[in-house]
Amino acid sequence: AQSVAQPEDQVNVAEGNPLTVKCTYSVSGNPYLFWYVQYPNRGLQFLLKYITGDNLVKGSYGFEAEFNKSQTSFHLKKPSALVSDSALYFCAVRISGNTPLVFGKGTRLSVIA
Amino acid sequence: DAGVIQSPRHEVTEMGQEVTLRCKPISGHNSLFWYRQTMMRGLELLIYFNNNVPIDDSGMPEDRFSAKMPNASFSTLKIQPSEPRDSAVYFCASSQSTANYGYTFGSGTRLTVV
Repeated sequence: AQSVAQPEDQVNVAEGNPLTVKCTYSVSGNPYLFWYVQYPNRGLQFLLKYITGDNLVKGSYGFEAEFNKSQTSFHLKKPSALVSDSALYFCAVRISGNTPLVFGKGTRLSVIA
Repeated sequence: DAGVIQSPRHEVTEMGQEVTLRCKPISGHNSLFWYRQTMMRGLELLIYFNNNVPIDDSGMPEDRFSAKMPNASFSTLKIQPSEPRDSAVYFCASSQSTANYGYTFGSGTRLTVV
């Protein structure tokens, strides 16, 4: 069975500092990994994905994520946080097109000015 | 493309009433998903369709919930009768059925049952 863990319910970071939102996964097979962001009163928006190839993937709004197969992790990062990055972030995994994405519980990011 | 369109955006109804939520997926997407989001349970998958056929409805909480997809451009989620504990934000998402394709979410319907 597929599963995703986001170990932190809340991450606080000062504006301008680097941020990391953690995600680990468990699948039997090659994972397809995704990050989504949800702003207040909005649906989830796609940020980036890892399918194959380079372990470092770049996405929207300056975010990037690093796939680490040995640690089964896919942490979301940004070199310099903005107050506008404050939102709820979801990690998700699937192993085939016929199975739905499995989402983590989400991590609330607060960037403080 | 207008994206995934959900209606209504907000619904307030009395306990016991029937509620119907609507979703129009992105044209060309052949998978559709209904999710429920609450503070307590987070994001829950209720049901999903591939090519208009329900594949897995194990997330539907009770028989009071039902979902249909009569054609590729329309789906409904119905709650009858509604209860206060059904209050949540309900999201519809659509996707192509390939593993490297993510979902596009609608803006959601905020349901309040009083």
